[in-house]
Amino acid sequence: DQQVKQNSPSLSVQEGRISILNCDYTNSMFDYFLWYKKYPAEGPTFLISISSIKDKNEDGRFTVFLNKSAKHLSLHIVPSQPGDSAVYFCAASEGYAGNMLTFGGGTRLMVKP
Amino acid sequence: KAGVTQTPRYLIKTRGQQVTLSCSPISGHRSVSWYQQTPGQGLQFLFEYFSETQRNKGNFPGRFSGRQFSNSRSEMNVSTLELGDSALYLCASSPRQGAGLGQTQYFGPGTRLLVL
Repeated sequence: DQQVKQNSPSLSVQEGRISILNCDYTNSMFDYFLWYKKYPAEGPTFLISISSIKDKNEDGRFTVFLNKSAKHLSLHIVPSQPGDSAVYFCAASEGYAGNMLTFGGGTRLMVKP
Repeated sequence: KAGVTQTPRYLIKTRGQQVTLSCSPISGHRSVSWYQQTPGQGLQFLFEYFSETQRNKGNFPGRFSGRQFSNSRSEMNVSTLELGDSALYLCASSPRQGAGLGQTQYFGPGTRLLVL
């Protein structure tokens, strides 16, 4: 049973436009959520996180939104750049369960020049 | 500050052999977690170590084990290798074990293991 799902395996966006990546979860005990960017054969690079006590967190071009009632989070990238092309993973953890991250299956973002 | 380092980066083994992978966390980080990435199963949690003690374990057979040293460096071991163990093994570190607080984990580049 997948507790974290990214239903779009791929997304193509024009340079300069907004990229919106979505993630759904089923475990209501998750209280910390993260987005990572990953290139093939490399480790994930941390992008941005959000605690369940917030509904929005911004860092530069990246904004994460959390809708707890819908068990849904999204990552907005504005403006999108060709260098953003990578696979994006959302991950979640239960604070009291330590550092065990549960990952979604990933979304491949392609930003076209 | 140096990032998470993993050695070796690439490894080829044959079925039945055993393998040890090494991870050095970011300086000052005391929690080390291990993950396996495969095309079929995605990124899956193996285990977490904090203060030389295993704190959490994922759903993997006992052939997968690990340990952490007093300097927070960690090793993971896979015995009796199977073809399905071919994967990218990732190590991640964070300042401390989560205790009601979310922890950002920072990943190393991974060790690519191929079992023939």
